Amino acid sequence: QVQLVESGGGLVKPGGSLRLSCSASGFTFSDYYMLWIRQAPGKGLEWVSYINSGGRTTYYADSVKGRFTISRDNAKKSVFLQMNSLRAEDTAVYYCARVRGKQLALAYWGQGTLVTVSA
Amino acid sequence: DIQMTQSPSSLSASVGDRVTITCQASQDIRNYLNWYQQKPGKAPKLLIYDASNLETGVPSRFNGSGSGTDFTFTISSLQPEDIATYYCQQYDYLFTFGPGTKVDIK
Repeated sequence: QVQLVESGGGLVKPGGSLRLSCSASGFTFSDYYMLWIRQAPGKGLEWVSYINSGGRTTYYADSVKGRFTISRDNAKKSVFLQMNSLRAEDTAVYYCARVRGKQLALAYWGQGTLVTVSA
Repeated sequence: DIQMTQSPSSLSASVGDRVTITCQASQDIRNYLNWYQQKPGKAPKLLIYDASNLETGVPSRFNGSGSGTDFTFTISSLQPEDIATYYCQQYDYLFTFGPGTKVDIK
């Protein structure tokens, strides 16, 4: 069955960096777009970034553009989110998600990893 | 950017009631609209994709309709396990989530 497992979250100081990983199993990873979505404590869902199946096309929310970088390693069935210049407002649970297929609905989600940006 | 609004922001209903949530896009998004359910402490779950298609394994009491800018999500007979927050999400241009609708039992 499809599984997505995030890792790499933790406590970081403002201005610091963190790299999140999402390890996938149970499907042909190289066939699917992957996304990162975040949810600040007590708040709604916010799309962060997505990457196409080959890894050559990426998009970012304006709130993270220039600070975050998404990448993937299809051989290792993993997607990554490099987060630099972190701010307090980046504090959130970060989820990776897989699209359903041609329909860009988020059919599979990981359990999330908490990133806390605080001095 | 495309903005999404949802109403109401919260509602209370009795078991067996019909519950309706609306979602409005700031511009035409065709039918590129999905609905999710999120329970506390859990990842969201896809319920409806492309405005009206029921995801595999999702109970038939969940229904979606609409196109263009106005969309509706309905639970035909509210069950205790439906207590959750529901989000719409567009993907006509990038991705945007609505602010959510919290549903609880009266």
